[in-house]
Amino acid sequence: QQQVKQSPQSLIVQKGGISIINCAYENTAFDYFPWYQQFPGKGPALLIAIRPDVSEKKEGRFTISFNKSAKQFSLHIMDSQPGDSATYFCAARGGKLIFGQGTTLQVKP
Amino acid sequence: DVKVTQSSRYLVKRTGEKVFLECVQDMDHENMFWYRQDPGLGLRLIYFSYDVKMKEKGDIPEGYSVSREKKERFSLILESASTNQTSMYLCASSSGVGHPSGYTFGSGTRLTVV
Repeated sequence: QQQVKQSPQSLIVQKGGISIINCAYENTAFDYFPWYQQFPGKGPALLIAIRPDVSEKKEGRFTISFNKSAKQFSLHIMDSQPGDSATYFCAARGGKLIFGQGTTLQVKP
Repeated sequence: DVKVTQSSRYLVKRTGEKVFLECVQDMDHENMFWYRQDPGLGLRLIYFSYDVKMKEKGDIPEGYSVSREKKERFSLILESASTNQTSMYLCASSSGVGHPSGYTFGSGTRLTVV
């Protein structure tokens, strides 16, 4: 019940395309869902986050879609750029943060 | 700029050695965490601490211990390093368990045990 399952493990997108990363959870007590972005040689950094009473949150080209009934949430990166190439982690808060397995995104020029 | 600083970027140690990984934060955060990052497995919590001299086991504490003598410093100890502990180790801090501002991570220490 404490797991957060993330897919796909890796993703290749052309510049200008839409990148979509999905996460699913079981524990309905989770109350906060952040996404982290990690560049090579760096630690993960908070990118965007959502609470379960909101179905969508948008910040620039990054959007979280949240489906409470399905216990799923996803990150959409619009107009993907080579600079978005990084590893992305979803997470869920159940006291402390529980992280997904990570998705390595490569955006081709 | 707030920071979590890990003392070493790369370490190579021999099997059986005692290894210390150091982490310092300058944000006066109460909570500190140690994760290991492995491809396909994400970030797995080893130990965390809510306060000085307090520690709690995470999901994979076997083979590790921690020390928090001062609020700003959290050390991860590998009592007898083994090759299956070769990994990227990430330290993080937060001002509250699951605080909305999230965790601040260090840049990581890549440990190789030979």
